[in-house]
Amino acid sequence: DVKVTQSSRYLVKRTGEKVFLECVQDMDHENMFWYRQDPGLGLRLIYFSYDVKMKEKGDIPEGYSVSREKKERFSLILESASTNQTSMYLCASRASQWGPQHFGDGTRLSIL
Amino acid sequence: QKEVEQNSGPLSVPEGAIASLNCTYSDRGSQSFFWYRQYSGKSPELIMSIYSNGDKEDGRFTAQLNKASQYVSLLIRDSQPSDSATYLCAVIFSGGYNKLIFGAGTRLAVHP
Repeated sequence: DVKVTQSSRYLVKRTGEKVFLECVQDMDHENMFWYRQDPGLGLRLIYFSYDVKMKEKGDIPEGYSVSREKKERFSLILESASTNQTSMYLCASRASQWGPQHFGDGTRLSIL
Repeated sequence: QKEVEQNSGPLSVPEGAIASLNCTYSDRGSQSFFWYRQYSGKSPELIMSIYSNGDKEDGRFTAQLNKASQYVSLLIRDSQPSDSATYLCAVIFSGGYNKLIFGAGTRLAVHP
C-alpha cells in the first residue's frame, strides 16, 4: 500500500512565523502535490513537483514556497504565516501522470 | 476551462438502498477518472479508478464511464450508514503536467 506521511496532524503557529509542513512518501513516486482544503472551496492546488528539485505553481501559490531535495520528501513553507492561511493542508503523491493521487492524513494548521 | 461538475447534495438514501453519484467533465481528451471518499475532518481516500468505457466493479462499488457523454458515475449497493461521507469525482485533464481536477463533491447521507 502507498504510504504518504505528513509530519503533524495538528499545528498551531503565530502570525509572522515561518512554518514548515513536511511530507514523505515511501513508494518512489515522482509526482508530489500540496493542497489546501477549506469549507465551501474544495481542494485547491498550491504547488506540485514532478521530479527532484523541480517545482511548479498550482492555482494558489501566493504566500507559499516548496522544497524537494529528495524524491521521497516534499516540504511546504509558509514564509510569513497569516491568519488567512489557517486551513487543512493535504499532501499527495502519484506514480505516473495518468495514475491516481494518494493522500496523507492532512495537517490542520491554525495561525493565531 | 477545465471543469468537473457534481451535484453537491446532500443525497439521502435509506440503509440497504443503491446510492447513485454522478459527475460530468469538460475535457474530451481525459483518460483517467477516480472516485474518492472523504469523511468529515479526514483526507480523501481513493476508492475507484476507471480508465475505459463501461463498468468496473469492486465489492459494493461500481464505477461507470461514458467518454462520449463525458460522464462518470459511482453506484454504491446495499448502502450502509458508514458510507455517509462526501464523494469526490476527479479527472486527469490531458496536456501540461496532466493535472488532476476535483469536483466539489457530493455529500451522501445514509439513514437507518
